[in-house]
Amino acid sequence: AQTVTQSQPEMSVQEAETVTLSCTYDTSESDYYLFWYKQPPSRQMILVIRQEAYKQQNATENRFSVNFQKAAKSFSLKISDSQLGDAAMYFCAYRRDGGSQGNLIFGKGTKLSVKP
Amino acid sequence: EAQVTQNPRYLITVTGKKLTVTCSQNMNHEYMSWYRQDPGLGLRQIYYSMNVEVTDKGDVPEGYKVSRKEKRNFPLILESPSPNQTSLYFCASSHRTGIVTDTQYFGPGTRLTVL
Repeated sequence: AQTVTQSQPEMSVQEAETVTLSCTYDTSESDYYLFWYKQPPSRQMILVIRQEAYKQQNATENRFSVNFQKAAKSFSLKISDSQLGDAAMYFCAYRRDGGSQGNLIFGKGTKLSVKP
Repeated sequence: EAQVTQNPRYLITVTGKKLTVTCSQNMNHEYMSWYRQDPGLGLRQIYYSMNVEVTDKGDVPEGYKVSRKEKRNFPLILESPSPNQTSLYFCASSHRTGIVTDTQYFGPGTRLTVL
C-alpha cells in the first residue's frame, strides 16, 4: 500500500525568507501524481502545486517550487519570499495514475507559521 | 465560477439522528469523493464514485452511505451518527483518473459534531 510521510509536524519561517517542507512516499507504481495542498484557518483545501511522476522537470508555481527525487521517493516543497498569508497547514498527497481507485493518500500535514 | 459546494458548513447533532451532507460540483467531473479529516490522522477517504451509479468504499466507510444519482451531486449519508463520526468532512471532485489534468478540487468542508 502507498504511504505518505511528512516528518515535520510544525515549521516556522521569517517573513520574506525561504522554507522547505519535506515529504517522502512509498509506492511500487511507476506512474503517479504528487500534490501539495494548503489548508488555511478557513479549512478549505487549496491546491498549491502538482507534479507528474513521468516528468523529470520540477514543477514551479510562482513562489512555490518542488524538489522531486523519484528514485529517493522524495517530494519537498520550497516556499520562497514567505508571506504572512502562507501560514497554514500543508499536506503532501499521492495519487496513482489510472486504475479503478484514484483516491488521494495524504500525509499528516505540516503546520507552517510565518513570523513578521 | 468552477467550484465544489457543501452544505451545511457546520452541523451539531445527536447520536442516532440521521443526517445528510450534500455535495455539488459544476465542472462536469466524473470522479467525486468524500474525505474526513481528524487531528493527527490527516485526511482519509470514506467513499468515492467514478461516475453516475458507480460508487465504492474508501479506507474508512463504516457508518456512512453515499449515492450518485446525478453527475453533479454526491451526498454523504449518516444513517445513525455516533460521536466517533465527529470530524471535518471534505467533498472533492475531478475528471476521471488517468487523464493528465485530473487534479482534485475540494469543497470548503463541513464541520460535524455528534453529541
